[in-house]
Amino acid sequence: AQTVTQSQPEMSVQEAETVTLSCTYDTSENNYYLFWYKQPPSRQMILVIRQEAYKQQNATENRFSVNFQKAAKSFSLKISDSQLGDTAMYFCAFIGTASKLTFGTGTRLQVTL
Amino acid sequence: DSGVTQTPKHLITATGQRVTLRCSPRSGDLSVYWYQQSLDQGLQFLIQYYNGEERAKGNILERFSAQQFPDLHSELNLSSLELGDSALYFCASSVVGRHQETQYFGPGTRLLVL
Repeated sequence: AQTVTQSQPEMSVQEAETVTLSCTYDTSENNYYLFWYKQPPSRQMILVIRQEAYKQQNATENRFSVNFQKAAKSFSLKISDSQLGDTAMYFCAFIGTASKLTFGTGTRLQVTL
Repeated sequence: DSGVTQTPKHLITATGQRVTLRCSPRSGDLSVYWYQQSLDQGLQFLIQYYNGEERAKGNILERFSAQQFPDLHSELNLSSLELGDSALYFCASSVVGRHQETQYFGPGTRLLVL
């Protein structure tokens, strides 16, 4: 069974600074995908970024980028130029051939002035 | 806005009751997924449907059932409700339900069982 671990329950960053959220996962599969979802206070689940395991290049979406280390089974999210609107819970998620998302426990990010 | 709609947004009911949650997928999506987010269990996959047929089952209790109708909307039925069923229930959809597709989430239905 796949597992996803987020070891940072809470983090805080000042506006305009950079923050990195950690995620590790465990799987025996080779063909899988990884995601970061954001859940703001509205509780909506919003896709932030996705990474295909077969791609060596790290995914980037505007201020969001990942550091994907396949051998280490690590998938961290870097948020640059943090904004107040980035305040949210961030969930790392894995999907393999079973087509169901497996989520980590989340990291609560607070962006402060 | 993901294009996935869920109704109702909030639901308050009593133990022992039965409720139905409704989901309409994004236009063109044939596959629907249901997830439960609770304080003690986190986010858990419940069940997946593709074009009306059940495709995958997760940690779904026997008191819960779901179906996907010909117009592709889906309903999650929760019966004999217990206090522990209080949670946020999400529906997500994707094109044909392959694992390489991104799942887009609806706004969720917040269920409170008293």
